[in-house]
Amino acid sequence: GENVEQHPSTLSVQEGDSAVIKCTYSDSASNYFPWYKQELGKRPQLIIDIRSNVGEKKDQRIAVTLNKTAKHFSLHITETQPEDSAVYFCARNSGGSNYKLTFGKGTLLTVNP
Amino acid sequence: KAGVTQTPRYLIKTRGQQVTLSCSPISGHRSVSWYQQTPGQGLQFLFEYFSETQRNKGNFPGRFSGRQFSNSRSEMNVSTLELGDSALYLCASSGTRENLYEQYFGPGTRLTVT
Repeated sequence: GENVEQHPSTLSVQEGDSAVIKCTYSDSASNYFPWYKQELGKRPQLIIDIRSNVGEKKDQRIAVTLNKTAKHFSLHITETQPEDSAVYFCARNSGGSNYKLTFGKGTLLTVNP
Repeated sequence: KAGVTQTPRYLIKTRGQQVTLSCSPISGHRSVSWYQQTPGQGLQFLFEYFSETQRNKGNFPGRFSGRQFSNSRSEMNVSTLELGDSALYLCASSGTRENLYEQYFGPGTRLTVT
């Protein structure tokens, strides 16, 4: 259906460790999957995205993987730093050139120094 | 380029009143989407405008409406405010030829209904 399931809802890691957040969806028409980072009191910031014709995308310490068959995509953050602490949201569009984004409920990531 | 801007940033209204929020997209972006963010429901899609036309609409009552002007600026209106309308209202712009899907958010308008 409509929803995007995001897990875990909270994640606490030690500085330098990796963090992984996973999202699942059911709409096979979705072809665009962005990830947003929202710090307290600030706007959601697009940090990385992936399109359905790509299985993996990397940008420095962050990467996103997409498994279209299983309908799940994941955010991977390596060598975490305290400034990575924020709420992370996954999202998907509804296919084609549809700009409507359906968001997951968010993951509160805390990186402990 | 200047980012997405929203006005006002904070608003306090009373139940039954109406409110109009404004969003100016990034220069060159033709699509503006509106989202409601609350602690309980997260980020929920309200509607999307492209070239002054509403292309998509979320599952919100008719009290929520919007429009887009020829310069791509957009407004959303909420009539007969209810306590449950208290939320952060975010707009996002997108739609350049190079990055069709990427949506960039404004700082939001924090609406409190008392």
